[in-house]
Amino acid sequence: NAGVTQTPKFQVLKTGQSMTLQCAQDMNHNSMYWYRQDPGMGLRLIYYSASEGTTDKGEVPNGYNVSRLNKREFSLRLESAAPSQTSVYFCASSHLLTGGNTIYFGEGSWLTVV
Amino acid sequence: GESVGLHLPTLSVQEGDNSIINCAYSNSASDYFIWYKQESGKGPQFIIDIRSNMDKRQGQRVTVLLNKTVKHLSLQIAATQPGDSAVYFCAGYNFNKFYFGSGTKLNVKP
Repeated sequence: NAGVTQTPKFQVLKTGQSMTLQCAQDMNHNSMYWYRQDPGMGLRLIYYSASEGTTDKGEVPNGYNVSRLNKREFSLRLESAAPSQTSVYFCASSHLLTGGNTIYFGEGSWLTVV
Repeated sequence: GESVGLHLPTLSVQEGDNSIINCAYSNSASDYFIWYKQESGKGPQFIIDIRSNMDKRQGQRVTVLLNKTVKHLSLQIAATQPGDSAVYFCAGYNFNKFYFGSGTKLNVKP
């Protein structure tokens, strides 16, 4: 029972490099999310996809792009990494667009930009 | 917009005591709330949820109370155990998105 799987677990980037965080869920959920978590802070929404084929900005979208490749997969891309993007990134999914459905998280991706 | 927070940064309790973790939210239109537990190095794990048409919900050793009048949530953990040591977040759902508070770190003293 994999749930939400994200890769890589750890990554170190140099400023200006690009990379893509991959996420897949096997629960047939419609909605998927990318959050970042900084020390001492809660989870902040970067982008979300309410359903296959749609994506929307969250609270902190600048410097990121996303792709909802299919119902299972939702990737997050950093085109030109900056030290301010050093963070832990969590992918998540939930069943329906409307509230009342639990959101499930991956184990996180630790990204350091030097 | 939505904000969920006003947690105490750290709560220390004695093993066996009851713990109460509090959370406030700003948007009265939020219709669903969840409590999560996050252990070090891991993703948040679902504990319990509550819809806005309820004021109390109980799970195994946990109870969530919702006071819509003052826009306040609490998580009560009965007979706190060392394995309960973690950061606890509340989250509110509104407009297709979940909003998370900054979390409360629960330390359980043996």
